[in-house]
Amino acid sequence: GAGVSQTPSNKVTEKGKYVELRCDPISGHTALYWYRQSLGQGPEFLIYFQGTGAADDSGLPNDRFFAVRPEGSVSTLKIQRTERGDSAVYLCASSLNPGQGKCTFGSGTRLTVV
Amino acid sequence: DQQVKQNSPSLSVQEGRISILNCDYTNSMFDYFLWYKKYPAEGPTFLISISSIKDKNEDGRFTVFLNKSAKHLSLHIVPSQPGDSAVYFCAASAQGAGNKLTFGGGTRVLVKP
Repeated sequence: GAGVSQTPSNKVTEKGKYVELRCDPISGHTALYWYRQSLGQGPEFLIYFQGTGAADDSGLPNDRFFAVRPEGSVSTLKIQRTERGDSAVYLCASSLNPGQGKCTFGSGTRLTVV
Repeated sequence: DQQVKQNSPSLSVQEGRISILNCDYTNSMFDYFLWYKKYPAEGPTFLISISSIKDKNEDGRFTVFLNKSAKHLSLHIVPSQPGDSAVYFCAASAQGAGNKLTFGGGTRVLVKP
């Protein structure tokens, strides 16, 4: 597709449940990033993939969060035992050249944990 | 601690006038700075950037100024247009730090017709 696609656009889940958020990057973009944006704040870095491997996962808040990118294209962010504090907009971004940080963002998945 | 700060949460400006958005950072390892613009229900879109070896970069109505000694950058929009109404995020990256972006909290700009 022409842009970064994220599905679903909205997800409401009950506390304690497992969720998966999907990101389809721009075709050919080798770098893929996940960010989380809480209300009234800027996006916060979670994880960065270069190809299939996680080059930097220092932003994942705890071991309930995990992300994969098995074929170097689509990525899935997985959250186990969701908590109300996980409620946020999860943004995915991709870039052809990971240098300097310029990237294209998707519209995000708004996750609400009730 | 917040490494990138935007101290003005909002800014209101008349159409045709200049908008000035400010950003401060603390990490001296940052070597590339970017501004992203965000409309509601959309992801941030890249606007303009500047390398730490420069002090100014201009692109049409948008100019970014960098003062490394003060660890301060600003975005000037002139003339401001109603379509510029959005949230603007300052972001920084450091070479060798995974190319991840560290964002400020954003400034909401309202351009009044």
